[in-house]
Amino acid sequence: NAGVTQTPKFQVLKTGQSMTLQCAQDMNHNSMYWYRQDPGMGLRLIYYSASEGTTDKGEVPNGYNVSRLNKREFSLRLESAAPSQTSVYFCASSVLQGEGNYGYTFGSGTRLTVV
Amino acid sequence: AQKITQTQPGMFVQEKEAVTLDCTYDTSDPSYGLFWYKQPSSGEMIFLIYQGSYDQQNATEGRYSLNFQKARKSANLVISASQLGDSAMYFCAMREGNRGSTLGRLYFGRGTQLTVWP
Repeated sequence: NAGVTQTPKFQVLKTGQSMTLQCAQDMNHNSMYWYRQDPGMGLRLIYYSASEGTTDKGEVPNGYNVSRLNKREFSLRLESAAPSQTSVYFCASSVLQGEGNYGYTFGSGTRLTVV
Repeated sequence: AQKITQTQPGMFVQEKEAVTLDCTYDTSDPSYGLFWYKQPSSGEMIFLIYQGSYDQQNATEGRYSLNFQKARKSANLVISASQLGDSAMYFCAMREGNRGSTLGRLYFGRGTQLTVWP
């Protein structure tokens, strides 16, 4: 099925450990995004990639890095996890420009707990 | 300042009744889009409805309609004939027009938890 695939779905890390969240889309979208969701806060943008080869910081980028590996894949890395990074992470993709809802599609989320 | 404001942390509605979830937005961009998403307890984000700033008519998708009042900068979601399966968190979001650094991103409100009771 076409869509956005995130791995893993669940992860528990110890403080200071590193990990990479993977995201891939098969809809030929130009733009990809990483959001985090915390209780009572809605979704906040961490990083995004408007097109292959470009990445930009969003609202809450501290403690994260990203890599747009190719048009399909956009990974999020936590170099040294902190308890404040306990959250649910969503990857999303969309077309860059166009009509209507831009085909915005979300992955199923990664629930990360840092202890 | 908040780009998207949802003032109702929780709403309750009886099955088969209609309910309105409020959303106001803040932008100076003449071109923007407004989205509503549903997030059930399973956690996925489900797209419900979209309204573009230049659309002349209010968007409708089945039992969902968007009450778009541009001058008031409001984009309320109306769910008609509520069902038990409508119980979920609902998020309003906005995408501004094609402007440089904000290109493509969605701004989300904090959500409204809707509970439908029998």
